[in-house]
Amino acid sequence: DMKVTQMPRYLIKRMGENVLLECGQDMSHETMYWYRQDPGLGLQLIYISYDVDSNSEGDIPKGYRVSRKKREHFSLILDSAKTNQTSVYFCASSIRDRAYEQYFGPGTRLTVL
Amino acid sequence: AQSVTQPDARVTVSEGASLQLRCKYSYSGTPYLFWYVQYPRQGLQLLLKYYSGDPVVQGVNGFEAEFIKSNSSFHLRKASVHWSDSAVYFCAPGGGNEKITFGAGTKLTIKP
Repeated sequence: DMKVTQMPRYLIKRMGENVLLECGQDMSHETMYWYRQDPGLGLQLIYISYDVDSNSEGDIPKGYRVSRKKREHFSLILDSAKTNQTSVYFCASSIRDRAYEQYFGPGTRLTVL
Repeated sequence: AQSVTQPDARVTVSEGASLQLRCKYSYSGTPYLFWYVQYPRQGLQLLLKYYSGDPVVQGVNGFEAEFIKSNSSFHLRKASVHWSDSAVYFCAPGGGNEKITFGAGTKLTIKP
């Protein structure tokens, strides 16, 4: 069963706390992505990972970092979260040769108070 | 740089009526074009895709889209909508750098 999972689904943190969002996929896809979704803005790409330890900044990387130590797992880290990082975060994966055909997880709704 | 415009933030259609969701893109060459759909409380799913060839492409659940290069458009159509089509639809051009640009989305509501 082709699946992208995200944990946790909902998270409330206080400003200045560290945040770890986790994403997993069972399709052995080389490429993985982190996006955030805000009302009226569509999805904005935070980071893209082409494989283990091969990560590249997306369009809005400031305030975020990522880690990919296994092909099936991709983490998004917010060091000292800010209130403007309140958003819904989506992870996605794709085959390298079909980068535009992405499989999305269900999202994590993060609230930073 | 590529960009995409979905001019209608919200569209309401009666069940059984036809549908068109508009999308215009800006890109220096010919982009690859996609429509994604997001059902409530879910992630996005690929609805249909255009790489080349026949400008009218078919997707799942009776959706189709037409690539009109002269107009830089890739509008989504359906002949007869169902209540289950209620969702947010995203137009998304891809430009050869393995990155998609997502539009702001159009929220489709189906009236009974």
